[in-house]
Amino acid sequence: AQSVAQPEDQVNVAEGNPLTVKCTYSVSGNPYLFWYVQYPNRGLQFLLKYITGDNLVKGSYGFEAEFNKSQTSFHLKKPSALVSDSALYFCAVRDASGTYKYIFGTGTRLKVLA
Amino acid sequence: DGGITQSPKYLFRKEGQNVTLSCEQNLNHDAMYWYRQDPGQGLRLIYYSQIVNDFQKGDIAEGYSVSREKKESFPLTVTSAQKNPTAFYLCATRLSGDTQYFGPGTRLTVL
Repeated sequence: AQSVAQPEDQVNVAEGNPLTVKCTYSVSGNPYLFWYVQYPNRGLQFLLKYITGDNLVKGSYGFEAEFNKSQTSFHLKKPSALVSDSALYFCAVRDASGTYKYIFGTGTRLKVLA
Repeated sequence: DGGITQSPKYLFRKEGQNVTLSCEQNLNHDAMYWYRQDPGQGLRLIYYSQIVNDFQKGDIAEGYSVSREKKESFPLTVTSAQKNPTAFYLCATRLSGDTQYFGPGTRLTVL
């Protein structure tokens, strides 16, 4: 069965420090991986995706993610965190059945401290 | 949130009542989705539709129903059979690629 795991419920980081939000996946075939961000009482916003190609994917707002096939991970990173990055982050994977269904992780709350 | 409108933003329902959540899009996207969000559980798929007049059950369809009579609209009805409907409901669309676009959500509370 396909699945996505976000092992940390919350990540705290000081402003200006690098941040990492972890995601591991289990999927048959080639993975289609995504990161979304959600601000309070809002819908999700797309950050970036990995379909194929370079393992380092760059996305919106200075975020990037590193695809690691051997570790089945797709961690979200940013070199220098901003207080405004504080939000809920979701990792997702496309279902491999070809139905265009998406499986979301449980989310990681990022708190950037001033 | 782009061209996806969800209404109302807040909805209160008495036990035993059916309620309908609206989702309208002007993005001309073929695919539409309904997700339910509960704290600590992420997003769970209720129903999805790839084209007009066609839709499929997601992982938690019991107690919910949908229709897709127009490309722009994908309303979700929460029926009295859904025993724990209090949640945040998100509608999303998808064009030809894999990126989903989400509406602002509707928060449903059962009184």
